[in-house]
Amino acid sequence: DAGVIQSPRHEVTEMGQEVTLRCKPISGHDYLFWYRQTMMRGLELLIYFNNNVPIDDSGMPEDRFSAKMPNASFSTLKIQPSEPRDSAVYFCASSLRGTSEQYFGPGTRLTVT
Amino acid sequence: AQSVTQLGSHVSVSEGALVLLRCNYSSSVPPYLFWYVQYPNQGLQLLLKYTTGATLVKGINGFEAEFKKSETSFHLTKPSAHMSDAAEYFCAVSVSAGNMLTFGGGTRLMVKP
Repeated sequence: DAGVIQSPRHEVTEMGQEVTLRCKPISGHDYLFWYRQTMMRGLELLIYFNNNVPIDDSGMPEDRFSAKMPNASFSTLKIQPSEPRDSAVYFCASSLRGTSEQYFGPGTRLTVT
Repeated sequence: AQSVTQLGSHVSVSEGALVLLRCNYSSSVPPYLFWYVQYPNQGLQLLLKYTTGATLVKGINGFEAEFKKSETSFHLTKPSAHMSDAAEYFCAVSVSAGNMLTFGGGTRLMVKP
């Protein structure tokens, strides 16, 4: 398997622009997680899905952030409008029902200027 | 709610020396415990996990960890450090299969020649 795939790997955008991050989980995995990693706050869980349904979005910082999972093989994390404080590395991870181990993608490094 | 504390945000060892990275957790139910490693500019990779059974768990790259319920600890060790072990290590806890992981703050391991 190719593992968890994220795109783009790097994104540089200006404040106020819309940003869309994409994730393809490992085939057959039914849990999908979005994380944000910064030096100041470490690794934070933003939201996770089970069978394409959002289960816990309490980590989403504010209404500017939204996440969708239209099907089992694709998820997006959208920031609109983006702000400099959103600069971070965003990771997607997936796991299989009956296990707890999560498999992480390579991350998207977002820079908002 | 569960939590994870990693003692020491930075640990430095000489090549060939023992590696000991500390992790303590709190959980109201028997936990699932994990160690992940993150190399620069990469996602997190599972090193090892404890779910049930044998309390001494062996992982990849010569690492192992021991679950000690009485001490609520899950410390990571490696008998002899290699330069390639330099990375950031994260301890994580989950309370059930398929559930979210709670991560510690991470420990950056530096290996001196």
